Amino acid sequence: SQKIEQNSEALNIQEGKTATLTCNYTNYSPAYLQWYRQDPGRGPVFLLLIRENEKEKRKERLKVTFDTTLKQSLFHITASQPADSATYLCALGDDKIIFGKGTRLHILP
Amino acid sequence: KAGVTQTPRYLIKTRGQQVTLSCSPISGHRSVSWYQQTPGQGLQFLFEYFSETQRNKGNFPGRFSGRQFSNSRSEMNVSTLELGDSALYLCASSLEGTDSRYEQYFGPGTRLTVT
Repeated sequence: SQKIEQNSEALNIQEGKTATLTCNYTNYSPAYLQWYRQDPGRGPVFLLLIRENEKEKRKERLKVTFDTTLKQSLFHITASQPADSATYLCALGDDKIIFGKGTRLHILP
Repeated sequence: KAGVTQTPRYLIKTRGQQVTLSCSPISGHRSVSWYQQTPGQGLQFLFEYFSETQRNKGNFPGRFSGRQFSNSRSEMNVSTLELGDSALYLCASSLEGTDSRYEQYFGPGTRLTVT
């Protein structure tokens, strides 16, 4: 069955450094991959979408890569700030959108 | 532009009862999806509606149902509630389009507690 894996352990990063989150998937060849941010008690917020034929996409301090051979996406936040602390979810889309369980990111001041 | 709204925000029900949750999408969005979020299972897809038709359905029992109205507003219903149905129910809307469909805008959710 289709599976998405994100690091379930929280990630602690020092302010100013680059945070890198990983999303691996199996038994799936999605046409699209998305990243969302979720704060406690709130709905997810869309951040970035990348297509299967794109290797990399950037938006301000965010960068996403999509390696369909490795079946992996990396999500980078450069010059991280305490306000970036949240849970980050990856999602794969075709007909149905499947979400990973998310990785909690803590940016330490 | 107003975001996705969901009502009610909080709900407490008893086992065996039924519940109806409501979602108003962003103006102009015709696709509405519903998700269940629990600490153990994460976000799980329930169903997607477009133009009043169910377009996709997740792996949930028939107790979970939904519908969409001509103004794109959507409701989901859960009958014969079980303790395991306690969760945050999230609604998301999106524009129709090759990429736009996958840019989902979520509401704040309805926190359902079943006792």
